[in-house]
Amino acid sequence: AQKITQTQPGMFVQEKEAVTLDCTYDTSDQSYGLFWYKQPSSGEMIFLIYQGSYDEQNATEGRYSLNFQKARKSANLVISASQLGDSAMYFCAPPNSNSGYALNFGKGTSLLVTP
Amino acid sequence: NAGVTQTPKFRILKIGQSMTLQCAQDMNHNYMYWYRQDPGMGLKLIYYSVGAGITDKGEVPNGYNVSRSTTEDFPLRLELAAPSQTSVYFCASSYRGPGLPNTEAFFGQGTRLTVV
Repeated sequence: AQKITQTQPGMFVQEKEAVTLDCTYDTSDQSYGLFWYKQPSSGEMIFLIYQGSYDEQNATEGRYSLNFQKARKSANLVISASQLGDSAMYFCAPPNSNSGYALNFGKGTSLLVTP
Repeated sequence: NAGVTQTPKFRILKIGQSMTLQCAQDMNHNYMYWYRQDPGMGLKLIYYSVGAGITDKGEVPNGYNVSRSTTEDFPLRLELAAPSQTSVYFCASSYRGPGLPNTEAFFGQGTRLTVV
């Protein structure tokens, strides 16, 4: 079974600062990349960014970027210029090809952005 | 665009009752998934389907059943509800397997279920 580790249960960052959320995953299925989702207090799951396993460059999407190290099986999310609206739970999720490519979620990191 | 629609949004069940959580998507997606999320935890896969007529168990299937008679609908059935099934349930869909190029999973808004 896949094991996804998000070692930071809670993080604080000041508005306009950058923050890095860690994610490591233990899987023998290395063909597929990894997703990050945001879950605000309202509860919905919002897709942020995806890193393909064979992408040569780290993924970027606006203020979000990934620091992807395939050999170490880590894909850390970097949020630049944090905003108050970034306060939420963040989940990394690699797909599992043995379960219809269902996303396999870590426990998440709670991010609080302070003024 | 409706996307993935879950009904109901909230429900309180008594122990031993049964109910069906509805999930419908209008994006002609082949892959559909049911997850549960317990407080302070990530999502865990209950069941999944890779197309109409095809379903399979995920990580935590006990106490649940699914069917997939159409591409659009993927209902989740709870038989004999137990307090341990108190959770938030999410349905998700994708055109093909997430992780394949340009393929993401779209989530419904969730159903908050309390069993008392």
